[in-house]
Formats: sequence, structure tokens, C-alpha cells
Amino acid sequence: AQSVTQLDSQVPVFEEAPVELRCNYSSSVSVYLFWYVQYPNQGLQLLLKYLSGSTLVKGINGFEAEFNKSQTSFHLRKPSVHISDTAEYFCAVSDRLTGGGNKLTFGTGTQLKVEL
Amino acid sequence: GAVVSQHPSRVICKSGTSVKIECRSLDFQATTMFWYRQFPKKSLMLMATSNEGSKATYEQGVEKDKFLINHASLTLSTLTVTSAHPEDSSFYICSARSTDRLPNEQYFGPGTRLTVT
Repeated sequence: AQSVTQLDSQVPVFEEAPVELRCNYSSSVSVYLFWYVQYPNQGLQLLLKYLSGSTLVKGINGFEAEFNKSQTSFHLRKPSVHISDTAEYFCAVSDRLTGGGNKLTFGTGTQLKVEL
Repeated sequence: GAVVSQHPSRVICKSGTSVKIECRSLDFQATTMFWYRQFPKKSLMLMATSNEGSKATYEQGVEKDKFLINHASLTLSTLTVTSAHPEDSSFYICSARSTDRLPNEQYFGPGTRLTVT
């Protein structure tokens, strides 16, 4: 079984400032890692994913995340945020053994609020 | 590509009635579809996994007789909330996975807001 912890429920940040959204996971098996964004009353959109290879993953909208196996973390970063980045962000894992495209376990989400 | 739609986007129904939510993969064949439930300001909770042509697999604690899932074709899955009650009010999101597309990725629909009065 896996679990995902997003310690920050809300992160306020000024426009053009950098941001980091934290994600830690727990799993007894190797995992795939994902970050999704959800705008109000909408479904989820994939920002980026880590499957294998380079631990630094670049995604859409200027976001990137780094997989740290020793710290079991997959923090999301953006060097300069925009008002339009205001949304809910979810970290998720799925286990490699079942092919990864199966059961996703989500964190509780982090509300990113970008202010002028 | 990899578009998933849901219908309706919002529905209000009276307590005791049933409501059906459709999830369609528009440009790919979805061998597996997932149904999630999201409470306000909370994470997504997986309710069930359905594979085309077979019975859905429900997560622990999800009442299969209350939340009927049908995955009759490779592009359509339906979730029927039977005898709905106000506590069933929630945001329901489906996702789809295909072996033709990236097998380790799920594509999400826009969600359906259900309000039971």
C-alpha cells in the first residue's frame, strides 16, 4: 500500500516569486509519481510525472519536480509563478508492479494562491 | 488527444431518486476506467475500477449496490447513484486508461457535481 503526504494545505505566494509544493510518499514497492493540477470545478490535468531515468522532471506551465528516493520526496517547483497558477495541486503515486496506470493514491492537495 | 468527457457536468436530484453519470473517452479506447469521489477541500478517493466487459472492482467501504458501475464499451462507462441521499452529494470524477496510449497514465474527465436535495 502507498500513502502520500502533502504537508502544506495552502501556500500563498506573490506573483513572480518562486514556489515549492512539498510531497512525500510511503511505499513498500517502487512507484511512479505524478503531479496534477485542478482548477475550480474542473477535473485533473497532468503537470508532470516521474517514471524512470533523470530524477529532475520538467512538466507543463514551467513546473518541474525532483524525485529524491532517499528522502521519498517529489517536490514541485516553479521559479516564477503567475496569477493563473492559482489552483489546487495534487501529488499522486501508483505502484510499478501493477503497471503504474492503475490505482492512483492521492495526497490531500495543496491550494496555491498567487497574489499580486 | 486523450480527451475524457463527463455528462452531466452538474445535476441536482431529489432524495430517493437515482442519477446516472456518463464518462466517455472521445479519441481513444479506454480499457480501464476509474471513478473517484472528491469531497470539498479534500483529495480524490478512488471508488472503483472498471474494465471493459467485466464487473467493476470496488474499493473497501464503497457500496456496490448503491454505486452501480457499467463499462459496456471501450469508450463509455456509467456510474449510477441509486436511491440518492444528501450525503451522496459530491464531485464525481472519472478517469480512463488505455493500452494504446501511455499505459501508465490516467486521463481525467472534468467531473460531475451532484447535489441531492
